[in-house]
Amino acid sequence: DAKTTQPNSMESNEEEPVHLPCNHSTISGTDYIHWYRQLPSQGPEYVIHGLTSNVNNRMASLAIAEDRKSSTLILHRATLRDAAVYYCILRVPNTGNQFYFGTGTSLTVIP
Amino acid sequence: DAGVIQSPRHEVTEMGQEVTLRCKPISGHNSLFWYRQTMMRGLELLIYFNNNVPIDDSGMPEDRFSAKMPNASFSTLKIQPSEPRDSAVYFCASSSGGGGGKAFFGQGTRLTVV
Repeated sequence: DAKTTQPNSMESNEEEPVHLPCNHSTISGTDYIHWYRQLPSQGPEYVIHGLTSNVNNRMASLAIAEDRKSSTLILHRATLRDAAVYYCILRVPNTGNQFYFGTGTSLTVIP
Repeated sequence: DAGVIQSPRHEVTEMGQEVTLRCKPISGHNSLFWYRQTMMRGLELLIYFNNNVPIDDSGMPEDRFSAKMPNASFSTLKIQPSEPRDSAVYFCASSSGGGGGKAFFGQGTRLTVV
């Protein structure tokens, strides 16, 4: 499995920015960094992905370190609906492009 | 597109019975994944198909589990015979190929084996 390491849990105040870290020190040049989140009682949903450059979409931003050994998912203003488990995943073309989920970070948003 | 469609949403069965879970992936996607989620083990990848061919079934727990993808629009996961420890939420996901393809998940099937 392509390994990523995330904190088990984080807390954030509502309407504050949230930075969710992920370490992937064994990443290779062709591996994509994906982020998914799972809301309670739902299937995981796509948040964002990138290869080398930072990425922005309507949900979040992804900041990728220059050496690509770590990345940070940024939620610009946390809302109560952002409370979820966030998964950082490497999609590795050389091994078949499977998505292997780790334990993720459980984000609690405090009103 | 309606997204990834799984059926049934809930299944309660007696130990020893055969259980079949179904999945319709998003049209045009060439990769399909089956996952199992429990509190103890989290999200486990059971099997991965690419272009209807099983590529990696190393996550299938034992011979009681089997999966098929007879065509690009349908897949099944079968458990025969079922056991109480198979109780979990089973998710199907599909994506386009390549490292940049996003995965889309179904709503899952909650299986309870009594």
